[in-house]
Amino acid sequence: SQTIHQWPATLVQPVGSPLSLECTVEGTSNPNLYWYRQAAGRGLQLLFYSVGIGQISSEVPQNLSASRPQDRQFILSSKKLLLSDSGFYLCAWSRTGPYQPQHFGDGTRLSIL
Amino acid sequence: QQQVKQSPQSLIVQKGGISIINCAYENTAFDYFPWYQQFPGKGPALLIAIRPDVSEKKEGRFTISFNKSAKQFSLHIMDSQPGDSATYFCAASLSGGYQKVTFGTGTKLQVIP
Repeated sequence: SQTIHQWPATLVQPVGSPLSLECTVEGTSNPNLYWYRQAAGRGLQLLFYSVGIGQISSEVPQNLSASRPQDRQFILSSKKLLLSDSGFYLCAWSRTGPYQPQHFGDGTRLSIL
Repeated sequence: QQQVKQSPQSLIVQKGGISIINCAYENTAFDYFPWYQQFPGKGPALLIAIRPDVSEKKEGRFTISFNKSAKQFSLHIMDSQPGDSATYFCAASLSGGYQKVTFGTGTKLQVIP
């Protein structure tokens, strides 16, 4: 079966510090990978998606970047965090092809002080 | 045209009752409609999904009803239990490419004993 891992589960960072969140998927090959941000009590905002190694597409302009150095590894980064970067960050994967749902990790709660 | 409108925002149901959450979409190109359940501090988990060539899909106590002409779909939770208390998201996606998913804004369900 497939599993998705995200870490860390919680993170408290000062404004202006760098960020690296990691996500890995097991049990599948060549997944589509996604980073979402969920504000408190709100829906999910797609930040980045990737259909293959080194292929990253950004949905919204922002202070964050993403990379996919390996087939099942997806990293969310920032060089300098802003207060507005606080939120709940979710990684997801899906198979390629029609009618494939996205499957989410348990997220990282990021607080910027 | 990419929006998915979800209602109600919150819902309180007595144990044993029926919980009903409604969603409406505008883009007739959407061809896959998953529902997700999210508990506090966790990522959304796929609950049930439907394609527009089917008017109803049932899995246990959970049923999706789909009205293609009205561009509406709904989740019914029969015999609601306190353990069903969670936030529910409807979603709609286009099956081409990377499965871009548009999420509703969520419904917070509380089932009281």
